[in-house]
Amino acid sequence: GDSVTQMEGPVTLSEEAFLTINCTYTATGYPSLFWYVQYPGEGLQLLLKATKADDKGSNKGFEATYRKETTSFHLEKGSVQVSDSAVYFCALRPGGGADGLTFGKGTHLIIQP
Amino acid sequence: GAVVSQHPSWVICKSGTSVKIECRSLDFQATTMFWYRQFPKQSLMLMATSNEGSKATYEQGVEKDKFLINHASLTLSTLTVTSAHPEDSSFYICSAWIAGGPMDEQFFGPGTRLTVL
Repeated sequence: GDSVTQMEGPVTLSEEAFLTINCTYTATGYPSLFWYVQYPGEGLQLLLKATKADDKGSNKGFEATYRKETTSFHLEKGSVQVSDSAVYFCALRPGGGADGLTFGKGTHLIIQP
Repeated sequence: GAVVSQHPSWVICKSGTSVKIECRSLDFQATTMFWYRQFPKQSLMLMATSNEGSKATYEQGVEKDKFLINHASLTLSTLTVTSAHPEDSSFYICSAWIAGGPMDEQFFGPGTRLTVL
């Protein structure tokens, strides 16, 4: 079945550091890929998405490129802020919007001032 | 916009009792609602998919008689954990999706923490 693997946390960085959170997936066909962020006490929020190979999703300074050849969707940000501290989930959707999501385990990111 | 609420946010119950969790889309009508379960330090696992007015579709390994899902309207889905036991303790999260909407994404509720004593 489909699966998503992402780096385990917590990941601790200093403010203004470069961030990479690795995510790889296993799926048949051509899934859509997502990054969700969960702030303490809140529900998951969509951060960015890509629906086909070589698409780049971007939002709030975060970027991720859908790499079919390496089955990856790594999340990057050039300069993190304390407010980026949260749990980040990589996920895939096998087909259309009516399909449920398959999530990775989540990566807890801690940014220190 | 696109807010999903869950009630209650946390609940503690005794073993053998049933617990109902509500999921509401506050400012839109959801074509489909999903229920996920999250264990500590684990990923969210899809439990079931429900469409308004029809029976829910459960993922393999999810007991449909234990986790009853009712999707009575386009804005409300309920998950009832029947005869709850300590192993049912978990974080339950719902999400809602709009068919044909401008944003092809699921909107998530804040989750419900269930503790079964």
